[in-house]
Amino acid sequence: QSALTQPRSVSGSPGQSVTISCTGTSSDVGSYNFVSWYQQHPGRAPKLMIYDVIRRPSGVPDRFSGSKSGNTASLTISGLQAEDEADYYCCSYAGRYTYVFGTGTKVTVL
Amino acid sequence: EVQLVESGGGLVQPGGSLRLSCAASGFTFSSYNMNWVRQAPGKGLEWVSYISSSSSTIYNADSVKGRFTISRDNARNSLFLQMNSLRVEDTAVYYCAREGIVGATLADYWGQGTLVAVSS
Repeated sequence: QSALTQPRSVSGSPGQSVTISCTGTSSDVGSYNFVSWYQQHPGRAPKLMIYDVIRRPSGVPDRFSGSKSGNTASLTISGLQAEDEADYYCCSYAGRYTYVFGTGTKVTVL
Repeated sequence: EVQLVESGGGLVQPGGSLRLSCAASGFTFSSYNMNWVRQAPGKGLEWVSYISSSSSTIYNADSVKGRFTISRDNARNSLFLQMNSLRVEDTAVYYCAREGIVGATLADYWGQGTLVAVSS
């Protein structure tokens, strides 16, 4: 499978909102409501932030939210904070027990 | 507390083999499907391999098909990745990841990763 397409980088000032897009195809993002988002700080393991397109695991701040329209999923970070600066990856179920990741987006807090 | 601890990484020559292990604790390992995910230096995440809770279903990414074999030992709460015919492009940090119990979330918990370097 081909990687899902994400913007290389997004940035915002503290308190602002940023949105990261994740574009796939009708074979992955468009077919399943199984899109997840992961945050990764340098040198650390990824951390689950959103699953099933819109659900937040316990302990994840509610300023993180997810959505999907057609073949494109999105992650929005509202009220941006310094600790949100990290790499973010989307991931979609692609059928037959396989998964595909996005290309990754670096979020910079100005 | 859920813990996943990988081991077995190291430096290996092209064409060589390596076996990664992942020790799981803090949850009922036999109830969860598991995945291996890798990340080449400075690059993004790549799903590598999936195994169901009972080992009845196994799938691999095309990039490792025929070379890597995922397995598990539920009695020992352990996940494995046997890597044969290693290539330079297999150089990466390899993460063990627990799949979400409902639906299809690749990983709700991750290990800290183990580095595999393939070089002559």
